[in-house]
Amino acid sequence: EAGVAQSPRYKIIEKRQSVAFWCNPISGHATLYWYQQILGQGPKLLIQFQNNGVVDDSQLPKDRFSAERLKGVDSTLKIQPAKLEDSAVYLCASSLGSLGELFFGEGSRLTVL
Amino acid sequence: GESVGLHLPTLSVQEGDNSIINCAYSNSASDYFIWYKQESGKGPQFIIDIRSNMDKRQGQRVTVLLNKTVKHLSLQIAATQPGDSAVYFCAEKPSGTYKYIFGTGTRLKVLA
Repeated sequence: EAGVAQSPRYKIIEKRQSVAFWCNPISGHATLYWYQQILGQGPKLLIQFQNNGVVDDSQLPKDRFSAERLKGVDSTLKIQPAKLEDSAVYLCASSLGSLGELFFGEGSRLTVL
Repeated sequence: GESVGLHLPTLSVQEGDNSIINCAYSNSASDYFIWYKQESGKGPQFIIDIRSNMDKRQGQRVTVLLNKTVKHLSLQIAATQPGDSAVYFCAEKPSGTYKYIFGTGTRLKVLA
């Protein structure tokens, strides 16, 4: 069974530029999460989807971050404009339901210069 | 506020010894907990979970203990191996939510 796929693995941009990350969850997984992991810290939830609806986006900086999950499968996370403090690994995870094991992708590492 | 913390940022253990990684959580209403292992450059990997109606759960070489009285969670790894070297996170799910809150992590170093 294929795992959670993310791309790109690495991205370097200058501040005020924009960037987009893509996630393809495990087939059949209804719940999809985007986490931000700053170096030396635990993952912080940015947004959670149930199918194509948003369950929780309370910690998403909506002035610069946006995410969508059209058709309830793939998802994209966009940052525009990026700030230095956005440098982090962006992890996508999926699960069958809202309770149980989260399966994580390998993450997209963003460096903002 | 909501937070999950760990007592020790780094734990060094001799190969073959048992490891104990601790976690303190702040939300007494949390009803589900997970331990994750994260190796360098990879995403977190599920190790074991436990519901709040349990005190102990065992897996292969790992045991999770939950003490709701003091809001403490621990992960015990038996016969620690070099491949166990990683950062370990505990995560809690507050009751009535579908949000998983991660702690800051403990780095486990296995000494040969």
